[in-house]
Amino acid sequence: QKEVEQNSGPLSVPEGAIASLNCTYSDRGSQSFFWYRQYSGKSPELIMFIYSNGDKEDGRFTAQLNKASQYVSLLIRDSQPSDSATYLCAVTTNFGNEKLTFGTGTRLTIIP
Amino acid sequence: ETGVTQTPRHLVMGMTNKKSLKCEQHLGHNAMYWYKQSAKKPLELMFVYNFKEQTENNSVPSRFSPECPNSSHLFLHLHTLQPEDSALYLCASSQDNTGNTIYFGEGSWLTVV
Repeated sequence: QKEVEQNSGPLSVPEGAIASLNCTYSDRGSQSFFWYRQYSGKSPELIMFIYSNGDKEDGRFTAQLNKASQYVSLLIRDSQPSDSATYLCAVTTNFGNEKLTFGTGTRLTIIP
Repeated sequence: ETGVTQTPRHLVMGMTNKKSLKCEQHLGHNAMYWYKQSAKKPLELMFVYNFKEQTENNSVPSRFSPECPNSSHLFLHLHTLQPEDSALYLCASSQDNTGNTIYFGEGSWLTVV
């Protein structure tokens, strides 16, 4: 059983629309949740993290966490072509980094 | 530029070779990590060092040998690798290992022939 699951995509979204990326996790003890963006040939970069149930907004990005249902999502409003990348969900069972478990990532393409 | 520099960026080695990957961080961090990224697979944590001490070895085969001489430098020594070890090896660092943001280097693309 995969610990962190993501739809590999590709997910195609028209420019200006909302892109919705989903992630489910298996460990109910998970505490911290992260979204990384990885452009092709580049390293992952952190764009959002969330610890508490509910929504967390940062600019065009909103992370949503539902611990009861064991899912975390990332919404990107007003999608831009520069948002085209692979988005990695990562989860840890404590507030540390040592057990950070990544999903395989969802490839997002924004269509102009 | 994330402040984490990896060399070489690309490496091709035979199964009998010995080579090393180098990572240097200029961020004043105390924790450093090696991750492996293979096609169609999740990023896989290999090793964690916190204040130069290894705190995590994620059941990595002994043909991968890490070395952390100080908090700014991390090496991954490679010997007698297998073709299935071909992957992108990512170094990362964070302030410490207690939940701070992890910054990744650009990675070293390794091909074992």
